Amino acid sequence: DADVTQTPRNRITKTGKRIMLECSQTKGHDRMYWYRQDPGLGLRLIYYSFDVKDINKGEISDGYSVSRQAQAKFSLSLESAIPNQTALYFCATSVTGGAGRELFFGEGSRLTVL
Amino acid sequence: KNEVEQSPQNLTAQEGEFITINCSYSVGISALHWLQQHPGGGIVSLFMLSSGKKKHGRLIATINIQEKHSSLHITASHPRDSAVYICAGTGNQFYFGTGTSLTVIP
Repeated sequence: DADVTQTPRNRITKTGKRIMLECSQTKGHDRMYWYRQDPGLGLRLIYYSFDVKDINKGEISDGYSVSRQAQAKFSLSLESAIPNQTALYFCATSVTGGAGRELFFGEGSRLTVL
Repeated sequence: KNEVEQSPQNLTAQEGEFITINCSYSVGISALHWLQQHPGGGIVSLFMLSSGKKKHGRLIATINIQEKHSSLHITASHPRDSAVYICAGTGNQFYFGTGTSLTVIP
């Protein structure tokens, strides 16, 4: 089983629908992240969480919200999806602090908004 | 300004060729990661380095701290090496390059 699991892996939805992408991890890491990947733009940070009570906006948080339900679970919601939110979304985890902290990624969730 | 810049954006090579992907980064980044993403797949970490050189099989990663530059080399390239390679830096957060799409032709 993957250490970082994302569901769903693929989702097609319509404009205006509410969508939740879920992420769970078995690595015991405190830090969790949501990124989106668009062709030519690389990975951009949406939200990150350093522990259950700590949620922080990333560079592109508008239109998204998150919930850290437990240390192991971090969900990303699109309250009212729009077509330019069509992208590949990645959840990632890392250990706390230090320059040598490594990122571990989920397998990605491909979202298409029609 | 991007904290991490990588080049080239796209690269096509014949099987067996030696490949180099370059990454330059800005002040404030203390460790450098090389990531690999296969088509339709997730992202895996190949190397994390803050000095010197690391080798794993046919892959070699080097970093020059003074010049703030890192390279990923692939020796004896193979079609299965075809993927997107992403350079990422660790500072206050993680900073990502836009990726190099590598295609190795048999």
